[in-house]
Amino acid sequence: GAVVSQHPSRVICKSGTSVKIECRSLDFQATTMFWYRQFPKKSLMLMATSNEGSKATYEQGVEKDKFLINHASLTLSTLTVTSAHPEDSSFYICSALSGNRGNEQYFGPGTRLTVT
Amino acid sequence: EDQVTQSPEALRLQEGESSSLNCSYTVSGLRGLFWYRQDPGKGPEFLFTLYSAGEEKEKERLKATLTKKESFLHITAPKPEDSATYLCAVQAVGNEKLTFGTGTRLTIIP
Repeated sequence: GAVVSQHPSRVICKSGTSVKIECRSLDFQATTMFWYRQFPKKSLMLMATSNEGSKATYEQGVEKDKFLINHASLTLSTLTVTSAHPEDSSFYICSALSGNRGNEQYFGPGTRLTVT
Repeated sequence: EDQVTQSPEALRLQEGESSSLNCSYTVSGLRGLFWYRQDPGKGPEFLFTLYSAGEEKEKERLKATLTKKESFLHITAPKPEDSATYLCAVQAVGNEKLTFGTGTRLTIIP
């Protein structure tokens, strides 16, 4: 199956600082990547869609200036949480879509962000 | 607006006790229906894609079926390692985004 990695798996940061999360497709080129947020015992909430070489498309209610997304190559997308607050603490998961593999999204293992 | 409803919310089964999980959906035009398995603290793991009513797919103890309004994930003679949350998602025609249900938390008791 397709492999997607995320780094870091866990991060703790202080309020007001920024943190960057990387999402990589390891064995295929991902034309599109997605960023999700998941609260405890809840389903996945789509934050934004990231296409290689173009600006991300954010879902309604997601602050684009707070959650910066960059998709600089066909194997890497990054999510930067700027000026983090405790309410940004969550489980962030990325997924990758490749046209060569059909419609399936392959998910990374997730990043647990804790803002103190 | 696309919607996905999964039931039951939680299910506890004895090892070997077969059952089914339900995923009801409404979508403007179905491009695909997806089943994922998610373990605590991990990302979802892809299981199946179904594209049209009547289609069935199997993998080990799992079998997914699809009608025009719902999908079932049948689990036969489950083992404790099948314990996880099972997520259903739909993708509409002309859209790459997935709309997820809230999942069924399955616990298999030895």
